[in-house]
Amino acid sequence: QSALTQPPSASGSPGQSVTISCTGTSGDIGAYDYVSWYQQHPGKAPKLMIYEVTKRPSGVPDRFSGSKSGNTASLTVSGLQAEDEADYSCSSYAGSSNWVFGTGTKVTVL
Amino acid sequence: EVQLVESGGGLVQPGGSLRLSCAASGFTVSSDFINWVRQAPGKGLEWVSVFYSGGSTYYADSVKGRFTISRDDSRNTLYLQMNSLRAEDTAVYYCARDRGNRGRFDPWGQGTLVTVSS
Repeated sequence: QSALTQPPSASGSPGQSVTISCTGTSGDIGAYDYVSWYQQHPGKAPKLMIYEVTKRPSGVPDRFSGSKSGNTASLTVSGLQAEDEADYSCSSYAGSSNWVFGTGTKVTVL
Repeated sequence: EVQLVESGGGLVQPGGSLRLSCAASGFTVSSDFINWVRQAPGKGLEWVSVFYSGGSTYYADSVKGRFTISRDDSRNTLYLQMNSLRAEDTAVYYCARDRGNRGRFDPWGQGTLVTVSS
């Protein structure tokens, strides 16, 4: 199972929006609505930000939103804040009880 | 508080074995889906294995036949037995709960580092 493809980096100024793409195939993202997004600060464990494409766990700001079209999922962070600077990874169900993660995107707040 | 704590990582020679533990608190591991996910230095996350609440187990192709996931309900703990270790298995290993097997990995443990090197 190949990793989902994400851009290596993305950036924006405070208050701006940034969108991260996550491209898979018709066998993972395109087939299931089980796409999640994780935020990871250096040296820390990942934190769930979005699940089932668009759902936010309690405690996650509504500045974070998810979407999906075809084989590509996206995470948008609106109103960028300094604490949003982190690595972001997507994941998807890939069938046969397997999961696949993305290559990761480093978000920089300029 | 729902929490997962990994332990058991360390330095091991190629071909060697190691057993990782994932101790849970605040919930019962037998009622959830517990996954192992690893992250090689400077790389992305990689799904490794899952233990279903019903007892079924599944593995990524990269570890199938070498790694075994197990569960001790009396200790509320998951294990990952890793045999025939290779340099490419070097990573931080995390366990994470997935309620309902819907890819909602939350929470994650703090991770334990496994280094395979001679």
